[in-house]
Amino acid sequence: EDQVTQSPEALRLQEGESSSLNCSYTVSGLRGLFWYRQDPGKGPEFLFTLYSAGEEKEKERLKATLTKKESFLHITAPKPEDSATYLCAVQEIKAAGNKLTFGGGTRVLVKP
Amino acid sequence: DAGVIQSPRHEVTEMGQEVTLRCKPISGHNSLFWYRQTMMRGLELLIYFNNNVPIDDSGMPEDRFSAKMPNASFSTLKIQPSEPRDSAVYFCASSSEPYEQYFGPGTRLTVT
Repeated sequence: EDQVTQSPEALRLQEGESSSLNCSYTVSGLRGLFWYRQDPGKGPEFLFTLYSAGEEKEKERLKATLTKKESFLHITAPKPEDSATYLCAVQEIKAAGNKLTFGGGTRVLVKP
Repeated sequence: DAGVIQSPRHEVTEMGQEVTLRCKPISGHNSLFWYRQTMMRGLELLIYFNNNVPIDDSGMPEDRFSAKMPNASFSTLKIQPSEPRDSAVYFCASSSEPYEQYFGPGTRLTVT
């Protein structure tokens, strides 16, 4: 069974203090790894998809990277508006369709 | 595009009552997903449809839950009878397989 573990569960940062979130996964074959951002009271919002080890994607202050066992979401010089819960999810090659298995998320709070 | 539309946004009901949640996916998407999110269990996939056909309902907790997709632009998730442990936020998501899923704003269900 797919396993997706995110760490830490919560992260408190000062504005401008860069950090990284971890998503480790165990699947028999990875089709894709997805990162989402979720604000309180809203649905998850798609950020990135990574398909192969060594791949990187960037969007504003966020950069996602992928290895064979884990993915990192780097937040560079965060601002208070980056406060949210960040979710990662994996899509397994043998899974029907594009079914995703989500991790528990990392709650990020950026203080001014 | 208006995105994924869910209704109602909030539902408060008494134990034993029937609850129906509704979802309109993004036009042109051929996959639709129902998720449940709680603090304890995170985001769990309940069921997903591809081209209006249920593909995987292994996440449906029990026979009290049922889902239908009569056409490409509408789906329902029904709970009958509802129980307090069903209280959660229910999300609908859609995608154009095999790409990323887009989530609706969710329905917050409270069963008293």
